[in-house]
Amino acid sequence: DAGVIQSPRHEVTEMGQEVTLRCKPISGHNSLFWYRQTMMRGLELLIYFNNNVPIDDSGMPEDRFSAKMPNASFSTLKIQPSEPRDSAVYFCASSTTGVGNTIYFGEGSWLTVV
Amino acid sequence: AQKVTQAQTEISVVEKEDVTLDCVYETRDTTYYLFWYKQPPSGELVFLIRRNSFDEQNEISGRYSWNFQKSTSSFNFTITASQVVDSAVYFCALSEATTGNQFYFGTGTSLTVIP
Repeated sequence: DAGVIQSPRHEVTEMGQEVTLRCKPISGHNSLFWYRQTMMRGLELLIYFNNNVPIDDSGMPEDRFSAKMPNASFSTLKIQPSEPRDSAVYFCASSTTGVGNTIYFGEGSWLTVV
Repeated sequence: AQKVTQAQTEISVVEKEDVTLDCVYETRDTTYYLFWYKQPPSGELVFLIRRNSFDEQNEISGRYSWNFQKSTSSFNFTITASQVVDSAVYFCALSEATTGNQFYFGTGTSLTVIP
């Protein structure tokens, strides 16, 4: 079975540019998560969706970040405008809905903003 | 307050040695779940194990074993006869019944196995 699929795997962009990261969750999973990983802050939950509805976006750093889930098989995380401090690995993960269910991660999108 | 503490930032062992990675958690829930994930140098996060708070049986999977002790709020991970391929960052995580899908990750332990 296919795991969580993320694209792009690597992106280098200039400060001020818009960045869009994409995610396809595991089929049948109805919870989707966006995490950010940096050396300084470790793994941070940015936002998560249940059945395509954003449940908790308290981790989204600021208005420059937005996330959408238009359907059960696709989500985007957008940064506009990007800044060098946004450089990080962004992980998408999915699970079946329910307390304590295992979340499965994609391979991550490595973002560098110069 | 940190809900999951991995006090060991970095560990180095020589191949074939046993190594234990510590994880201490904090929760007031009676129902909760504990996880370990592995992040090899390639960067992906790989799920290793999930335990619920009602099952304190230790678990063994090949060279991996997990020791869950509610009395000390610990969920430690032991690798027996370590191999170079075990070199990775290992994360412990907690999920509580009252906070649904929220996962609390520790800061990770970086394990280097020296050939």
